[in-house]
Amino acid sequence: GDSVTQMEGPVTLSEEAFLTINCTYTATGYPSLFWYVQYPGEGLQLLLKATKADDKGSNKGFEATYRKETTSFHLEKGSVQVSDSAVYFCARRDNYGQNFVFGPGTRLSVLP
Amino acid sequence: DAGVIQSPRHEVTEMGQEVTLRCKPISGHNSLFWYRQTMMRGLELLIYFNNNVPIDDSGMPEDRFSAKMPNASFSTLKIQPSEPRDSAVYFCASGFNPGQGAPYEQYFGPGTRLTVT
Repeated sequence: GDSVTQMEGPVTLSEEAFLTINCTYTATGYPSLFWYVQYPGEGLQLLLKATKADDKGSNKGFEATYRKETTSFHLEKGSVQVSDSAVYFCARRDNYGQNFVFGPGTRLSVLP
Repeated sequence: DAGVIQSPRHEVTEMGQEVTLRCKPISGHNSLFWYRQTMMRGLELLIYFNNNVPIDDSGMPEDRFSAKMPNASFSTLKIQPSEPRDSAVYFCASGFNPGQGAPYEQYFGPGTRLTVT
């Protein structure tokens, strides 16, 4: 079935370091792709999205590009802050399916 | 604009008791999801409603769990009887389904932290 795979965490970085969190998805259909973020004690929030190949989603300094050739949607940020510490979830929505599929989440800790 | 509202935010109960979690989706949304999150299993989809009708309940763990959506603005998730392994954070999410497939986006509530002793 449809699935989303993320790099295992936790990821620990120093402030201002470069961040990459890998995400790959199964290639069935033509999914829309999402990154959600969950801050401690809160629900998931949509961070960014891309609906077709080569689209780039961006928000709050985070970016991800929909790569159909590698079935990937890696999350990047050039300079992380302590406030970015959270769990990040990659997700896909099959455009003709009935549901979202979430990845397992990657915990990011940014140290001052 | 109010987001997804869940109540209670925290629930502590004894094994064997009935637990009812409540959710009010965002006005105008017609899809509603119930998830469970634990450290061991991550985020699990329990059940999904579209236009108040359950579409996929394959994630409901067993008969002790039941969910209802009597109208477009309210849903409940009930566990009867509760067990310690049900301890988790339960999230409700809503979205707008245009009629073809899943909603474009999901908006999550703050969650209910359930502890069963």
